[in-house]
Amino acid sequence: NAGVTQTPKFRVLKTGQSMTLLCAQDMNHEYMYWYRQDPGMGLRLIHYSVGEGTTAKGEVPDGYNVSRLKKQNFLLGLESAAPSQTSVYFCASRLSGTSGTDTQYFGPGTRLTVL
Amino acid sequence: KQEVTQIPAALSVPEGENLVLNCSFTDSAIYNLQWFRQDPGKGLTSLLLIQSSQREQTSGRLNASLDKSSGRSTLYIAASQPGDSATYLCAVRDDKIIFGKGTRLHILP
Repeated sequence: NAGVTQTPKFRVLKTGQSMTLLCAQDMNHEYMYWYRQDPGMGLRLIHYSVGEGTTAKGEVPDGYNVSRLKKQNFLLGLESAAPSQTSVYFCASRLSGTSGTDTQYFGPGTRLTVL
Repeated sequence: KQEVTQIPAALSVPEGENLVLNCSFTDSAIYNLQWFRQDPGKGLTSLLLIQSSQREQTSGRLNASLDKSSGRSTLYIAASQPGDSATYLCAVRDDKIIFGKGTRLHILP
């Protein structure tokens, strides 16, 4: 089991460029999440998905789009990158449902700098 | 809107001491509360998960408690070691998962 993996690990973009971050999990988890982590702000939820083909907005969705075409993958897109999107991005997944027993697993993060 | 607060933001204690980290949340309608550890430049590692029906969970030197009615959780670390130095985050799950901003812990050798 690789767990949750993220691609790429580091990226530098210029303002206005676009890119896609890939999150993959091999645990057959239904729920997947994208967070950003900024100094002094903690982790903030960008978008999430409760299953293949579904997506929903989190706390800070503006400037981002997501897709969940396959259960194991959750893509985060930046159409026109801005310096305010410089951050560390974490993907996470958990099994499913309303049970309180399932643990959330995190990827190693992607460090994105927008110049 | 659920809000999660962690106090203190930073803490330094001598090696060997016992310590308590605090987490509070505003809406008690949660499925569970989870404590994570994050080392600098790394991802998050789950330490303990407490279901809403539980009062506490233990793992080695760590003990986490949950008082849903008062909206509070504590993470107790016994006999602290320099390797415990890290940022500790708590997160509550209702329909989403909301994090606190973390407590940065430094254990002094």
